[in-house]
Amino acid sequence: KQEVTQIPAALSVPEGENLVLNCSFTDSAIYNLQWFRQDPGKGLTSLLLIQSSQREQTSGRLNASLDKSSGRSTLYIAASQPGDSATYLCAVISLKTSYDKVIFGPGTSLSVIP
Amino acid sequence: EAQVTQNPRYLITVTGKKLTVTCSQNMNHEYMSWYRQDPGLGLRQIYYSMNVEVTDKGDVPEGYKVSRKEKRNFPLILESPSPNQTSLYFCASNPNRGRGSPLHFGNGTRLTVT
Repeated sequence: KQEVTQIPAALSVPEGENLVLNCSFTDSAIYNLQWFRQDPGKGLTSLLLIQSSQREQTSGRLNASLDKSSGRSTLYIAASQPGDSATYLCAVISLKTSYDKVIFGPGTSLSVIP
Repeated sequence: EAQVTQNPRYLITVTGKKLTVTCSQNMNHEYMSWYRQDPGLGLRQIYYSMNVEVTDKGDVPEGYKVSRKEKRNFPLILESPSPNQTSLYFCASNPNRGRGSPLHFGNGTRLTVT
C-alpha cells in the first residue's frame, strides 16, 4: 500500500533563507508526483508536477526533484518570502491501481518570518 | 478564467438531512474527483469520474454518492449525513485522468453536520 510522508511537519524560517521540504513515498511505481500549496481556507494550487521519467522541475524560485528509486522528492524554495507562508503538500499518482489513485502526504506548514 | 467552482463554501446541516455539494469546471476536463480533508488524516479520495456516466469509488466512498451526467458537473451527494462526515471537501479536475497534467482544485466546501 502506497504511503506518503512529509518532513518536517512544520517549519519556521526568517525571510530570505533557502529551504528544503521533503516528501517520501513507499512504492516507486508512480506515474507522477505533484507539489501543491494550500493557503488557510483556500483550495490547493499546483506548484510543480514531475513525471516519473523526470528528475526535476523548476518554476521561478521553486525547484522540485524526484528520486523514484529511493522514494523521495524535495521541494527547494530559494530566498523565501513571507508570502510563501502556507502548507505544502506532495501527492503521488500510483501505477498499481485500476484507477488514478491520488495519494497525498500530510503536508508541511511553512511560516516565513519577516 | 479556467476554474473549478464548488458551492456552497460553507454548509451547516443536521444529521440525516440530504444535501448536495456542486462542482463545476469550465476547462472541458474529462477527469473529476472528490476529496475530503481531515486533521491528522490529510486528503483522501472519495469518488472519481473518468468521463460522463463513468464513476468509481476512491478510498473513502461510504456515505457518499456522485453522478456525472454532464462533462462539466460532478455533484457530491450525502443522502443521510452523519457527524463523521464533518470535513473540508474539495473537488478537482484534470484533462488527462490525473496523469501528465496538474490537478485543478476548487476552493473547498466546509461541511458541519450536527
